[in-house]
Amino acid sequence: AQSVTQLGSHVSVSEGALVLLRCNYSSSVPPYLFWYVQYPNQGLQLLLKYTTGATLVKGINGFEAEFKKSETSFHLTKPSAHMSDAAEYFCAVSDHGRGGSNYKLTFGKGTLLTVNP
Amino acid sequence: DAGVIQSPRHEVTEMGQEVTLRCKPISGHDYLFWYRQTMMRGLELLIYFNNNVPIDDSGMPEDRFSAKMPNASFSTLKIQPSEPRDSAVYFCASSLRDRGFYEQFFGPGTRLTVL
Repeated sequence: AQSVTQLGSHVSVSEGALVLLRCNYSSSVPPYLFWYVQYPNQGLQLLLKYTTGATLVKGINGFEAEFKKSETSFHLTKPSAHMSDAAEYFCAVSDHGRGGSNYKLTFGKGTLLTVNP
Repeated sequence: DAGVIQSPRHEVTEMGQEVTLRCKPISGHDYLFWYRQTMMRGLELLIYFNNNVPIDDSGMPEDRFSAKMPNASFSTLKIQPSEPRDSAVYFCASSLRDRGFYEQFFGPGTRLTVL
């Protein structure tokens, strides 16, 4: 079974500082990996995804993530935080190629990002 | 595109009452998912449908929960009878195959409070 671990339920940064949100996964096959963002009182919105190909993936709002197979990680970064980045971020994994099961996502517990002025 | 639509956005009910949550997926999407989000358990997949047929309901907590998808544009999640521990935000999501992967689009959620 696949699983996702997000290190740090709450991360606080200053505006303009680097954002680093950690995600580690376990999967018995090469996974598809995702980051979703949830703003207050809203649903989840896809930030970026890794399926195949280039391991550095760029998403919306200046975020990017790098798939590192050797470390089973998919950490999310942004060089300079903005106040509007304050939200909860979820890492997710799908176990593709196993009998068509690639449509189920397993989510991490989420990391709440606070941006201080 | 209107996105995934859920109703109601907020529901407050008393223990023992029946609750029905509604979802309209994005037109043309062939998968529909129901999730529950709580502080304690995070985001949990309850059930999902493919072409209106339930595929996996292993996440449904107990027999008090049921879900239906009578057609491609409508799904319901029903709780009968409701209990305080059912209080949560319930999300509906839909997806369409894209080169072997199904990106999920989430609705705004229904915040359920059971007193």
